[in-house]
Parts: sequence; structure tokens; C-alpha cells
Amino acid sequence: DGGITQSPKYLFRKEGQNVTLSCEQNLNHDAMYWYRQDPGQGLRLIYYSQIVNDFQKGDIAEGYSVSREKKESFPLTVTSAQKNPTAFYLCASSRDSREQYFGPGTRLTVT
Amino acid sequence: GENVEQHPSTLSVQEGDSAVIKCTYSDSASNYFPWYKQELGKRPQLIIDIRSNVGEKKDQRIAVTLNKTAKHFSLHITETQPEDSAVYFCAASGSTDSWGKLQFGAGTQVVVTP
Repeated sequence: DGGITQSPKYLFRKEGQNVTLSCEQNLNHDAMYWYRQDPGQGLRLIYYSQIVNDFQKGDIAEGYSVSREKKESFPLTVTSAQKNPTAFYLCASSRDSREQYFGPGTRLTVT
Repeated sequence: GENVEQHPSTLSVQEGDSAVIKCTYSDSASNYFPWYKQELGKRPQLIIDIRSNVGEKKDQRIAVTLNKTAKHFSLHITETQPEDSAVYFCAASGSTDSWGKLQFGAGTQVVVTP
């Protein structure tokens, strides 16, 4: 299970608060991705980054922000502008833009 | 952009029988098609993938077939076992303006009953 880690595993926040989810990888992968998973649905891409200091919006970027200051790290901030932030968040990385390796996920609950 | 549809949404099979999950995609430029298995509360894990220059690929009890003309690909699991119970996701990638982006299907819940 090593290689790509996410913390914390469970996160609880009050509505209106920003929250940052951590994603770290030691696989020396250039590309990193953030997905959101809701019950009974597939994975939807939030943001992705192909190289350090560069990132692109995915299909559902509104209400989220990211940074890529280091190759190993790609934190995701869920802002108060995100209407329905409660979900399971998955981070992934890939070496050659094909096979993606996923982290264990963070389950965020906002009340 | 790419759109991937996956069927069925749930699949119940008897242990030892075969399971087949089908996906269709919309972007004819897509050239990479992975399948992921996700057990309850766990991370998705790649189980098999296929590129558009290949029509079929096998790995023990798992196989994937690709029909580029019809734009669909399928996962075949033979001799199913209880540990095959999980959610399976197909995905497609490779259009020139979506480097590295995977478009996922909605998933298939597979239940293997002893």
C-alpha cells in the first residue's frame, strides 16, 4: 500500500470552513490527480497536474483549489464555495500519463 | 469531451460462472482503456488495461476485449470466486487534448455468491 499516501483518512468540518486534504507520493511520478467519488457513481476528475508549478481544471473544479510546489505533493483545498463537499476524495499519480496509482482516500464529511 | 457508459450497474453471479461488463466510449481518438477494481472502502486498483493497437488481452481469469469500430470494450472474468466481489470501473483516455485524463464509467457492483 505504500507509494502514495493521503491524510487524514476521515475528516469532519463545519459548513463554511475551508479544508485541505493532503496527498504525497514517493514514486517519482510527474503527474498527479484528484478525484471525487460519490455513492453509486464513478470517479470524477477535479484537478490534475502534469508537472511542478502547473495544474489544470478537471470536470468539476468549481469550489476546489490545488497547488503543486513540489513533485511529491499535491494538496487539495475544499473551499466554502463547494456546494456539496461531503464525499470520498481520491488522489492518484502516474509516471507516463497512463496507469494511475491511487491513494487510500480521504472521506470528508461537512455538516 | 469523452463520455464513458458502463453496463450493467449491478451483476450477481454464482461462484464458478463467468461475468461480463461492457463499456462504450464516445471519443474515437481514445487509445488507452484500463479497468479498476475497488473493494468496499478501499482504493481502486488497476487489474488490466488495453491499448487501441490490441484487440484482446488476458491475465489468468481476467480478459479485456476492444472493438474500436463500435467503440466498446468489455471485461470478462471467468471461474468467478467470492473474492471477485467488488465494484469494477472502466475508463478511457488518450484524446489529444486530455493528456493523462481518465474518463470513468459509473461502475458495476459485482456480487459472487457461493
